[in-house]
Amino acid sequence: QKEVEQDPGPLSVPEGAIVSLNCTYSNSAFQYFMWYRQYSRKGPELLMYTYSSGNKEDGRFTAQVDKSSKYISLFIRDSQPSDSATYLCAMSAGSARQLTFGSGTQLTVLP
Amino acid sequence: GAVVSQHPSRVICKSGTSVKIECRSLDFQATTMFWYRQFPKQSLMLMATSNEGSKATYEQGVEKDKFLINHASLTLSTLTVTSAHPEDSSFYICSARQTVGGNQPQHFGDGTRLSIL
Repeated sequence: QKEVEQDPGPLSVPEGAIVSLNCTYSNSAFQYFMWYRQYSRKGPELLMYTYSSGNKEDGRFTAQVDKSSKYISLFIRDSQPSDSATYLCAMSAGSARQLTFGSGTQLTVLP
Repeated sequence: GAVVSQHPSRVICKSGTSVKIECRSLDFQATTMFWYRQFPKQSLMLMATSNEGSKATYEQGVEKDKFLINHASLTLSTLTVTSAHPEDSSFYICSARQTVGGNQPQHFGDGTRLSIL
C-alpha cells in the first residue's frame, strides 16, 4: 500500500463546475499538507499549504485536512479551462522533511 | 516571491556526455534544495537532498557517483549527470525551501528535460 493514495483520473468537468480532488494517506506523522498544480512540461506550482486539520481558502481554491480520517481535499470553484493541469497532493512529517507525493490527478476543464 | 529558476530547460546530447543542471533560488536563501526525477504520467521521485556546505543525501537506489550534487551557496545547487546514457533520459526537477521564517513549503523550478541519444 502506498503512503499516499490519489485517484489519477483523468477527470473532465465543464467550465464553471466545482471540482473536488482528494488524497488519503496512511502515515499519522504527516503534519504538513500541500497541493501543487503542474502544467505539462513544467514544474509543480504551489497552490495551497496547510498545517494540521482544518480548512484554508485562497480565492477559488479551498483546502481541507481531516487528520482523524487521514483525508485531504482540494476544491476548485468556478473552474476555468486554465485550471486544466495535473494536481499533486504532497505531505510531510515536518516542514523541513522530504515530501511524499500522491500520483497526481489529471484535470480537464472543458469550455 | 519564492521563485526557483532551473537551467537549462532542455538538453539533448550524445551518450557519454556529462550534463550539468543548475537550480537557483532567486529571491530567497535556501539551506536545503531537493532534486527529483519524473517519468511521463508519473509523480515526482526524490533523488537526493542537497544541503548547503555539506554532502548531499541520496535516496536508496540513486547512484551518488552518477548524479553529482553540489550546493556551494545558499542560492545555488547543481546536479551533474555524469556519462549520461539513454536510460538517464527524464524530466529532472529541483525544489528549494526558504531557510528563514519556519514552516516554509518547497517551491519548484520548471524542470529540465534531458534526452540522451
